[in-house]
Amino acid sequence: DTEVTQTPKHLVMGMTNKKSLKCEQHMGHRAMYWYKQKAKKPPELMFVYSYEKLSINESVPSRFSPECPNSSLLNLHLHALQPEDSALYLCASSRDSGGPRETQYFGPGTRLLVL
Amino acid sequence: AQKVTQAQTEISVVEKEDVTLDCVYETRDTTYYLFWYKQPPSGELVFLIRRNSFDEQNEISGRYSWNFQKSTSSFNFTITASQVVDSAVYFCALSEGLTGGGNKLTFGTGTQLKVEL
Repeated sequence: DTEVTQTPKHLVMGMTNKKSLKCEQHMGHRAMYWYKQKAKKPPELMFVYSYEKLSINESVPSRFSPECPNSSLLNLHLHALQPEDSALYLCASSRDSGGPRETQYFGPGTRLLVL
Repeated sequence: AQKVTQAQTEISVVEKEDVTLDCVYETRDTTYYLFWYKQPPSGELVFLIRRNSFDEQNEISGRYSWNFQKSTSSFNFTITASQVVDSAVYFCALSEGLTGGGNKLTFGTGTQLKVEL
């Protein structure tokens, strides 16, 4: 089973709202990732968690706040977003034992629209 | 720094034609890993293949085949007898390990493949 699930599938929010994106995997993976993807562009890495610790923050604005409550769950808390933050947000997971050889498995994404 | 180039922005073919998607990469690492992902309109990135730098054997999986050429830093992907369901954006990516754990994928810009009847 190589399934990563994400909720919600679609989200519309105003610039003053607070919302959260959720990602879950049950593959025993210990690395989890958030990506942002704009239309007709490749995914851009935002955050990496390894063994529930934040490993990488790719200079993401503080209005995006990641959280990894346990090894299966990854959240992305959103607050005071801007219209330019509208994008597809993808979650991925991988084993964390082999460095660059590990395959990342992606979820279906959350399409976010900020009004 | 790692770099992946997919020079073909968009390719259109008629069903049953063969099509090759090009991928050229740059890295200073002697051991590295390359990936191909498919992204249909639904949005999910679907893993297709992983190839390491020390195995130059070409790989075939059904209608899909991959040609890895270390001498030209290329990892091209061919779909034989294309079908409408192959219509998607295809990304080539190069992986690097991260000190704190996990790995980072450097993606190419993607190739939009349209297969028409």
